[in-house]
Amino acid sequence: DAMVIQNPRYQVTQFGKPVTLSCSQTLNHNVMYWYQQKSSQAPKLLFHYYDKDFNNEADTPDNFQSRRPNTSFCFLDIRSPGLGDAAMYLCATGGTGRNTEAFFGQGTRLTVV
Amino acid sequence: AQSVAQPEDQVNVAEGNPLTVKCTYSVSGNPYLFWYVQYPNRGLQFLLKYITGDNLVKGSYGFEAEFNKSQTSFHLKKPSALVSDSALYFCAVRGEYNFNKFYFGSGTKLNVKP
Repeated sequence: DAMVIQNPRYQVTQFGKPVTLSCSQTLNHNVMYWYQQKSSQAPKLLFHYYDKDFNNEADTPDNFQSRRPNTSFCFLDIRSPGLGDAAMYLCATGGTGRNTEAFFGQGTRLTVV
Repeated sequence: AQSVAQPEDQVNVAEGNPLTVKCTYSVSGNPYLFWYVQYPNRGLQFLLKYITGDNLVKGSYGFEAEFNKSQTSFHLKKPSALVSDSALYFCAVRGEYNFNKFYFGSGTKLNVKP
């Protein structure tokens, strides 16, 4: 089945140690998103790609970076994780039509120790 | 600017009873509205969407939603709740000017009791 796959499902990292979360899709969607979700709150958009065009949200900390080497893969890099970065990170993809929904991966639960 | 609001943090309903999860929206043009469900430690799952046409939209797992333009609402409904419906529900709207973006409500926790 076509889907959005996030690896790993659970990630533990040390305070200040760089960490990378990965996302892949088989849907061939142009748009890929990274969201941060804390404690059953609404997902907060960090950035999104339209093809290779990177769109950063104004309030996304510089500590968060992203790469999209090709249509299928997208990475979230946290350069120096702090305790406040512990959260669920959700990757999603979407088509370009306004009538299309976003498809989410299962998420990566990040713990910072 | 576009937004959605979910006025209830939590909804409690007995199994077998009808359920409603409320959502109101604010857009200046035509709204493109979505409902998602999230189970613990999972991503969001798409339930249904309103684009145009019939005001009653049917979706997955027996859910439906009623679009009401005059009340700017898009409430999620189900005629008979199941315990397994207990989860977190999010309403979302597509951006009007940057329609690659989705704007989510704050979420409503649905508790269905046996």
